[in-house]
Amino acid sequence: KQEVTQIPAALSVPEGENLVLNCSFTDSAIYNLQWFRQDPGKGLTSLLLIQSSQREQTSGRLNASLDKSSGRSTLYIAASQPGDSATYLCAVRPNTGNQFYFGTGTSLTVIP
Amino acid sequence: GAVVSQHPSRVICKSGTSVKIECRSLDFQATTMFWYRQFPKQSLMLMATSNEGSKATYEQGVEKDKFLINHASLTLSTLTVTSAHPEDSSFYICSAQRRQGAHGYTFGSGTRLTVV
Repeated sequence: KQEVTQIPAALSVPEGENLVLNCSFTDSAIYNLQWFRQDPGKGLTSLLLIQSSQREQTSGRLNASLDKSSGRSTLYIAASQPGDSATYLCAVRPNTGNQFYFGTGTSLTVIP
Repeated sequence: GAVVSQHPSRVICKSGTSVKIECRSLDFQATTMFWYRQFPKQSLMLMATSNEGSKATYEQGVEKDKFLINHASLTLSTLTVTSAHPEDSSFYICSAQRRQGAHGYTFGSGTRLTVV
């Protein structure tokens, strides 16, 4: 069974810093990997999706990389802002089946 | 863009009562609906998968008689927590799979259930 781990569990940084969130997964037979943002008590907002054949995806200040063979993905956030404060979830979709396996998330606080 | 409306967003109910949570795909047809739950400080875990017009498939450890899922149309799926207990208090969220679109999945906004 796929297991997804995210470190750190929580991160607090001053505004303007660049930061990296890490995600690792145990089974490299994935269809894609997706990063989500979850605000307190709210649903999920999809940030970036990386197909298994891709190595990275970029959207604005966000860049996500994927190293499928080593079972790792990183989410890089440039020039962090207080509005980036949220929980960031990594989820992998295996080659078989349609469900996502989620990590436990990284709770990010950007201090003004 | 594709939107899934989930309600209620928050519900408090008494132990022993039943609660229904609805997810509607507003501008697309959801061929498959996934129901997840998230306990505090834990990851989202898949509870069940439902396809329109057929019985839901439940994950191991999820009681199908307690968590009733109905996917009667391509735009509506419901999760009913029957005879709720305090340990059922959790964050429940649905995800609809659509045919088109780069990501293919749209999540609802979630329901915070508190059983007292």
